[in-house]
Amino acid sequence: AQKVTQAQTEISVVEKEDVTLDCVYETRDTTYYLFWYKQPPSGELVFLIRRNSFDEQNEISGRYSWNFQKSTSSFNFTITASQVVDSAVYFCALSDFASGGSYIPTFGRGTSLIVHP
Amino acid sequence: DGGITQSPKYLFRKEGQNVTLSCEQNLNHDAMYWYRQDPGQGLRLIYYSQIVNDFQKGDIAEGYSVSREKKESFPLTVTSAQKNPTAFYLCASSIGTGSNTEAFFGQGTRLTVV
Repeated sequence: AQKVTQAQTEISVVEKEDVTLDCVYETRDTTYYLFWYKQPPSGELVFLIRRNSFDEQNEISGRYSWNFQKSTSSFNFTITASQVVDSAVYFCALSDFASGGSYIPTFGRGTSLIVHP
Repeated sequence: DGGITQSPKYLFRKEGQNVTLSCEQNLNHDAMYWYRQDPGQGLRLIYYSQIVNDFQKGDIAEGYSVSREKKESFPLTVTSAQKNPTAFYLCASSIGTGSNTEAFFGQGTRLTVV
């Protein structure tokens, strides 16, 4: 079984504030993959990052950074100096070795981020 | 450009009718997926297909059917047996389910029962 929890349903910030989106996952597998996606108002999910379970290095991409901690089963996402264009729903997802030998992504419920000007 | 095309963008269905949502990809991906999105529920897996002529039920397959006759196409039929079909439906594809690659998504179809 696998589970992804995004406890924050909605976050509201003012432009230029930093914001962290939390993601906690559950899996029995030692090999698994974690993802973050962004869903703007247009509806299409856009891939942001992928992380495998053996790589705990944090990653920074521009204003985005990700903190992966296996000890707490968390894969948190931080946006620095938020902008109005960051307003979207953000999904965390987990792929582990499901029955049938397949990696099928399971998504959290998403966190709606609203950035006010 | 390569990508996933879902049609129509908006769909209205009368109660008791079956409707089919289209999903086409030109990414040469083996795996395709259908997800349903409801407010506060996130994305829930309906069906997935790892290869042509094969598909598997996801977490909420009841009331839905799919086919995978061609690699590039994975249509979803919402049958009259689906009691609460009003939702946003997303189709996705990935290189395969045996790898760790990310999924690519279409722009979705919003289905409303009238």
